[in-house]
This record gives sequence, C-alpha cells and structure tokens, in this order.
Amino acid sequence: NAGVTQTPKFQVLKTGQSMTLQCAQDMNHNSMYWYRQDPGMGLRLIYYSASEGTTDKGEVPNGYNVSRLNKREFSLRLESAAPSQTSVYFCASSADFSSYEQYFGPGTRLTVT
Amino acid sequence: AQSVSQHNHHVILSEAASLELGCNYSYGGTVNLFWYVQYPGQHLQLLLKYFSGDPLVKGIKGFEAEFIKSKFSFNLRKPSVQWSDTAEYFCAVSATTSGTYKYIFGTGTRLKVLA
Repeated sequence: NAGVTQTPKFQVLKTGQSMTLQCAQDMNHNSMYWYRQDPGMGLRLIYYSASEGTTDKGEVPNGYNVSRLNKREFSLRLESAAPSQTSVYFCASSADFSSYEQYFGPGTRLTVT
Repeated sequence: AQSVSQHNHHVILSEAASLELGCNYSYGGTVNLFWYVQYPGQHLQLLLKYFSGDPLVKGIKGFEAEFIKSKFSFNLRKPSVQWSDTAEYFCAVSATTSGTYKYIFGTGTRLKVLA
C-alpha cells in the first residue's frame, strides 16, 4: 500500500496563477483533509471531507477550493495564488471522521512569487 | 478561544537525557488526544493517541504520554532520548463542540538530540 500520495512535491507559481494539488489514498478511508504548515504556526486545517460527497471549511479556507472526486481522491485548488499561500501543504486521511488518527502524505512545497 | 498550546518551541538535549514536552488544550467536553512526530524531510506520523481508559498511554519508540483531565494536559515523555529522536513533535486534539468538528494541532516543538 502506498498510503497517502500527493502530487506535485514542489511547485513555484507566480502571483495570480492557478493550480491544483492532488491527493489520493489507498486505505479505503472515509475522511480526508488538507492542511498547510507554516513556521511557528503548526498545521492549520484548510478543508476537510468527512465522507465521499461532502466537504467543509476548516480554519483557513479563504483562497482555496476542494473537490472530493471519489472515495480515494481529494484535490485542493488555488484559483489565484498569492504570496501568502507560500507554504507546505499536507493531505491526510482517516478511517472515519472526528476521532481517528490521521495518516499524512509527504507534502507539497509551494512557493508563490 | 479553543486552542492547543505547546510551550516549548525548541528543546536541545544530550543523548540519554529524559524528555518531557508539554501540551495543554482549552476544549471542554470529550476530547481525543494525539502526539505526532515529523522527522527531518518526512511527513507526520502518529506516535500515540488517547481516546479513553488508562490515562497513561504508551506509543512507539519508547514514548509515553499522560492525560491529566484536571490540568487539560497531555504531556509527552521519554526516559532516555536517542540521537534518532531529533524531530518536530506536534500535539493534536480532536473534539466536537456545538456540533462543529475541530482537529487542532499545536505549533510544534523542535527537538534536537546531541550525540
């Protein structure tokens, strides 16, 4: 099992460009999450999907959109990138919502210039 | 405001020293508690978790944590650290309050173990 995979690993964007971060899990998990990690801020939840067909905002959703494409895949889209979105993005999944431990992907390092 | 606090941002220890990393949270009601570790260049992985039962929880690699409900704390301990424990450690809390789900991470503690 690959666990949680993310693409790309690195990306550089210019301000105003758009891109989609891809995430997939092969553990048959119901719930998936997108976080951003910034120095001194820990991990902050952007969006989550408690189950296939549902998505909800987390702590810092502004400037992002998500799609739960199917049970395996959960993508994060930046419509118009800003320098403040320079960060490391982690996707995670859990067997079920709320109380279970989360399994993390390797991360995407995004720089917006 | 609901939060998770890790007061030690950077800790430097020599090998064989004992470790205790603090974690306090400010949620009322039922919570689930986690410690994650992120080794350099790697993704986060679970060290241990507490859902209910014995408040002293043992995890992987000799780590343990104690849930003290009256102090809203879930401190991580290891009796004797190794150089390979150099990593960043995150405390996390999940809770449902007023019908809203929260899964909040602390800001992390960067541990450096000197050989």
